[in-house]
Amino acid sequence: DADVTQTPRNRITKTGKRIMLECSQTKGHDRMYWYRQDPGLGLQLIYYSFDVKDINKGEISDGYSVSRQAQAKFSLSLESAIPNQTALYFCATSEGLAGGPAPDTQYFGPGTRLTVL
Amino acid sequence: AQSVTQLDSHVSVSEGTPVLLRCNYSSSYSPSLFWYVQHPNKGLQLLLKYTSAATLVKGINGFEAEFKKSETSFHLTKPSAHMSDAAEYFCVVSLPSGGSYIPTFGRGTSLIVHP
Repeated sequence: DADVTQTPRNRITKTGKRIMLECSQTKGHDRMYWYRQDPGLGLQLIYYSFDVKDINKGEISDGYSVSRQAQAKFSLSLESAIPNQTALYFCATSEGLAGGPAPDTQYFGPGTRLTVL
Repeated sequence: AQSVTQLDSHVSVSEGTPVLLRCNYSSSYSPSLFWYVQHPNKGLQLLLKYTSAATLVKGINGFEAEFKKSETSFHLTKPSAHMSDAAEYFCVVSLPSGGSYIPTFGRGTSLIVHP
């Protein structure tokens, strides 16, 4: 079984709809991240969470919200989807070091392809 | 401000020839640096990372990268390309920000391998 899973894998929706993308991990990591990928732009950080009670905005958080329901679960919501949110979305985890920050390896899910019409 | 620049959006090589994917960063701090690979319709996978130990870092699938502080570079190389190396490659710099380390991705380099 995959260590980081994302549901759904593909989603087509209409402008104005509320959408939730879910991420689950079995790696036991404290840190989780949401990115979007657009062609030619690399991955842009939307939100990140270093533990269940810690939520931080990334570089492109406008129009998005997140919920960290448990150590293993981190959901991304689009409250009112718009066409320029059409993208590939990735969830990632990393271990971190106990008691402090660390530049550690990230482990990525397979991605969710979202299309907003 | 901190940033990472991948100098080529596309690199095309013939199978069996060397690969060079270029990455430069800007930072006032000593960074940690990563290369990730993304095969078509897949998530990202770590190739290798530099975290202030040896400046020449060996990764998976025959790839390696050299950290050159004087040139603020972390270029990825492989002596002989294989068809299976065709993928998107991302250079990532992880720098301290407000007490945490936040990864910043380059825009990616698409490696094309011709038979």
